[in-house]
Amino acid sequence: EVQMLESGGDLVQPGGSLRLSCAASGFTFATYAMSWVRQSPGKGLEWVSSITYSGETTYYADSVKGRFTISRDNSKDTLFLQMNSLRAEDTAVYYCAKDLPTAGTTDYWGQGTPVTVSS
Amino acid sequence: DIVLTQTPLSSPVTLGQPASISCRSSQSLVHSDGNTYLSWLQQRPGQPPRLLMYRISNRFSGVPDRFSGSGAGTDFTLKISRVEAEDVGVYYCMQATQFPRTFGQGTKVEIK
Repeated sequence: EVQMLESGGDLVQPGGSLRLSCAASGFTFATYAMSWVRQSPGKGLEWVSSITYSGETTYYADSVKGRFTISRDNSKDTLFLQMNSLRAEDTAVYYCAKDLPTAGTTDYWGQGTPVTVSS
Repeated sequence: DIVLTQTPLSSPVTLGQPASISCRSSQSLVHSDGNTYLSWLQQRPGQPPRLLMYRISNRFSGVPDRFSGSGAGTDFTLKISRVEAEDVGVYYCMQATQFPRTFGQGTKVEIK
């Protein structure tokens, strides 16, 4: 069974940093691209970042470019999102999602981890 | 960025009746490889999103056949042939033809 378990969400002050983790299981992690998607309270979905299976290529939304870094450790089946210079508008539930190859979408999602940026 | 506009934003439906959601893109979603990377996701209350359809009309594993997707270019539709209670939630279209990936605003399906 495919599972993703996010962790690392917390309450942080504006300007602070957090590192989110996503532990994957039930599939060969090293062969799939992965993504982070967030959802602000009561709002819709916003794509944040994606990374290829090897980690060689990364993509970011303009809203987080230069502040967030996506990475992965294929030896530990884990995806990361390093978030720096956090702003109030980064407050959201952050979901880790597995990409469906050749389909241009994500087929499995974790339960999410909440991030609150507030003083 | 590609903007996806969904209509309606809210759809009260009688159980057993059909429902239809439209997703219109600000530009063609046909990729240079010939594929159209438009998918539909369902988010039930309190749950993460779940993939329903990919590349317009391909039903994902385990998705009931009362769900169907259609369209081309810039206009796409998700149809539920007979709404069931478990279909309550918010439905999103998403494009991955071009980075950044973008989502529609979401359409809330509820039972009348």
